[in-house]
Amino acid sequence: EPEVTQTPSHQVTQMGQEVILRCVPISNHLYFYWYRQILGQKVEFLVSFYNNEISEKSEIFDDQFSVERPDGSNFTLKIRSTKLEDSAMYFCASGVDRAAYEQYFGPGTRLTVT
Amino acid sequence: GENVEQHPSTLSVQEGDSAVIKCTYSDSASNYFPWYKQELGKRPQLIIDIRSNVGEKKDQRIAVTLNKTAKHFSLHITETQPEDSAVYFCAATQYSSASKIIFGSGTRLSIRP
Repeated sequence: EPEVTQTPSHQVTQMGQEVILRCVPISNHLYFYWYRQILGQKVEFLVSFYNNEISEKSEIFDDQFSVERPDGSNFTLKIRSTKLEDSAMYFCASGVDRAAYEQYFGPGTRLTVT
Repeated sequence: GENVEQHPSTLSVQEGDSAVIKCTYSDSASNYFPWYKQELGKRPQLIIDIRSNVGEKKDQRIAVTLNKTAKHFSLHITETQPEDSAVYFCAATQYSSASKIIFGSGTRLSIRP
């Protein structure tokens, strides 16, 4: 069964550095999402992406964040200048259709900012 | 925007007993309510869902109920087993709008042997 994949599984970076988290959505999917989960807390929506543009973003997704689909397979989340509070698990999700029940989550990337 | 409240934050039940987790939502436009199970360090996994045109749905030992008027929905797990131990999240969203999923704060369920 096809799955969403994410790399790396764990990223450690220093405060102020740029990081790029990578996701490979399921191949025929058209809708892409990023969520984050601070340790011990709930999963929070960051951004949705369709047709090469952002559909919706949360208040967390400020100017430090950007998303891109650089080719036909990858979907990336870039954090320009990381802060300690960006430490979290970041989940990518994709869906073939706009139906929310079809959002398939990847395994996550744990980002640790020191 | 939508806000989902979830209770309790922790729940410990004897193996074989039932567990109930309750959620409320604020946005009357929400019409799809998934429940996720998350094991430590893993992705949230969809275990059951309910749409607003249905009041109850059951899948083996798991059932969900929805009260649209009160904006309440609940997860019921019967005959609990050790493998049910995990964090459970309720969520709310709109079924077909490519909308964000809004999660509750989670319930850590522990099954005592």
